[in-house]
Amino acid sequence: EAQVTQNPRYLITVTGKKLTVTCSQNMNHEYMSWYRQDPGLGLRQIYYSMNVEVTDKGDVPEGYKVSRKEKRNFPLILESPSPNQTSLYFCASRGTGTDTQYFGPGTRLTVL
Amino acid sequence: DAKTTQPPSMDCAEGRAANLPCNHSTISGNEYVYWYRQIHSQGPQYIIHGLKNNETNEMASLIITEDRKSSTLILPHATLRDTAVYYCIVRVVWDSGYSTLTFGKGTMLLVSP
Repeated sequence: EAQVTQNPRYLITVTGKKLTVTCSQNMNHEYMSWYRQDPGLGLRQIYYSMNVEVTDKGDVPEGYKVSRKEKRNFPLILESPSPNQTSLYFCASRGTGTDTQYFGPGTRLTVL
Repeated sequence: DAKTTQPPSMDCAEGRAANLPCNHSTISGNEYVYWYRQIHSQGPQYIIHGLKNNETNEMASLIITEDRKSSTLILPHATLRDTAVYYCIVRVVWDSGYSTLTFGKGTMLLVSP
């Protein structure tokens, strides 16, 4: 089944403790993105990647890092999480020649 | 970037057609209109997209006005499971050829029995 998976689905952590949210897709898609969703603000793009080793900032990149060492994986890294990064995070992917994005199930992160 | 305007909320009775409007008066000639929906806290789901012709698939129909300044998503027989936030999005293409979809606040559609 074609899908985007994220782990963990839920995470509660404390300020300053490094964490990684993994994202994987099995559709051989070139493009992958990370979004965060907050009440009243809609979906905002954090980072995106056009292919392996090619990443760039989205609208709200501060406090986040990403890497794209393999085509299928696009982890989101929070080196020193802060409470304002408490949010619902979505990973998405799409193939070349289409704008149809496939989203993962979401990761709900709480930073205390 | 072309902006979109949608009503914040709409109601629809189960079994009736749901017609969700979207205004995109600044759309340019090569920009597509996309519709996604998001059921509570799940990942957004692609519904349909179009450039200037009306489109239909198994989920919905998309009607785009001749001047392309507005469009309507039609769910022909709404069910309770269609309760979701519906996003109308205009595709933005960057110089590098990479395109992104900018999600606004959408329309919360509530389907009632």
